[in-house]
Amino acid sequence: DVKVTQSSRYLVKRTGEKVFLECVQDMDHENMFWYRQDPGLGLRLIYFSYDVKMKEKGDIPEGYSVSREKKERFSLILESASTNQTSMYLCASSSPGQVYEQYFGPGTRLTVT
Amino acid sequence: AQSVTQLGSHVSVSEGALVLLRCNYSSSVPPYLFWYVQYPNQGLQLLLKYTTGATLVKGINGFEAEFKKSETSFHLTKPSAHMSDAAEYFCAVTHSGGYNKLIFGAGTRLAVHP
Repeated sequence: DVKVTQSSRYLVKRTGEKVFLECVQDMDHENMFWYRQDPGLGLRLIYFSYDVKMKEKGDIPEGYSVSREKKERFSLILESASTNQTSMYLCASSSPGQVYEQYFGPGTRLTVT
Repeated sequence: AQSVTQLGSHVSVSEGALVLLRCNYSSSVPPYLFWYVQYPNQGLQLLLKYTTGATLVKGINGFEAEFKKSETSFHLTKPSAHMSDAAEYFCAVTHSGGYNKLIFGAGTRLAVHP
């Protein structure tokens, strides 16, 4: 089975801190994604990556950056956390050969105070 | 551009009753459609998907969905609800090409009461 893991389930940070959210997948997938999930808004794509060192902006990239130095790992970075970034963050991965199915991690609930 | 609308942010049914969760999509190209389920404090799990071929798609846990191009719909159904079906359900759309980017609906929270 595909496994996508995220470094923390719950995280509390202060305004202005630099925050790293890590995601690792074990199925050699080319594509990786970061979403944020907010009530009533569903999942919104922040960034995605289709190869090592490659990244593309999603629908809401402002205030975020990403890093993909190795194929299995995709990091989301909040350069200076703000309270409006309090949310659930979900990582996913997929392979072009699997008809666009994405596999999700358990999520990180981030609270910025 | 593609979009997804899920009608009803909350749906409540009795155990044993029919479950119907509505999803309408907008797409200028042939769509690929998905239903995901999210149990409390968990990530999303794929229930079923439509890409090409048979328009009635069966998924896990007794769920199925029918792709209706003329109605631009992909409603999710289950004949008899179980208490364990209580969760949030997301409909999503994508198309061939485009790095597998999914567009999600806002979600429908399903409650099942005895």
